[in-house]
Amino acid sequence: DVKVTQSSRYLVKRTGEKVFLECVQDMDHENMFWYRQDPGLGLRLIYFSYDVKMKEKGDIPEGYSVSREKKERFSLILESASTNQTSMYLCASRVEVNTEAFFGQGTRLTVV
Amino acid sequence: QKEVEQNSGPLSVPEGAIASLNCTYSDRGSQSFFWYRQYSGKSPELIMSIYSNGDKEDGRFTAQLNKASQYVSLLIRDSQPSDSATYLCAVSGNYGGSQGNLIFGKGTKLSVKP
Repeated sequence: DVKVTQSSRYLVKRTGEKVFLECVQDMDHENMFWYRQDPGLGLRLIYFSYDVKMKEKGDIPEGYSVSREKKERFSLILESASTNQTSMYLCASRVEVNTEAFFGQGTRLTVV
Repeated sequence: QKEVEQNSGPLSVPEGAIASLNCTYSDRGSQSFFWYRQYSGKSPELIMSIYSNGDKEDGRFTAQLNKASQYVSLLIRDSQPSDSATYLCAVSGNYGGSQGNLIFGKGTKLSVKP
């Protein structure tokens, strides 16, 4: 079974803090994704990575950065958390382009 | 801007009926299509993938793809209350490297009434 693990299920952070969300997959997948999900807006792509150290901006990259130093780990960084970044964050990974993606359990982040 | 469109619903069907969920996409270069189910508070889980024109059946689920019309659908036969969830359509282009992203529609909320 494919396993995609996100470091935290729930997280509460203060405005201005630097926040790290970690995602690890155990199946040697090439592609990894970070989405945020908000009511009425669906899943919006923040960043994706198509290989180690390779990344591409999605639809809403502002205020976020990513890091992929090892194939199995893809980190999302909120440089200075703001209240409008309160959301559900979902990580996904897939073997390669055109294959199905598998999701982690999600991190519900609240910025106060 | 590549787009994936779904009716937001809610779509309400009685138990035992057929639920029909629809999705259109804008990028003609799209090659792979997926349906995910998401229960409230949970992450999406894959139901079906489809790559070629026509129908693909898996148990009570049938995915249909028409690339000429840029249309993909999901039929759920003998709908059960446990099928009540939000259904997400996802589309991926046949692009490698930096173009190989995966785009989701906003989802259709399905409610199956006992």
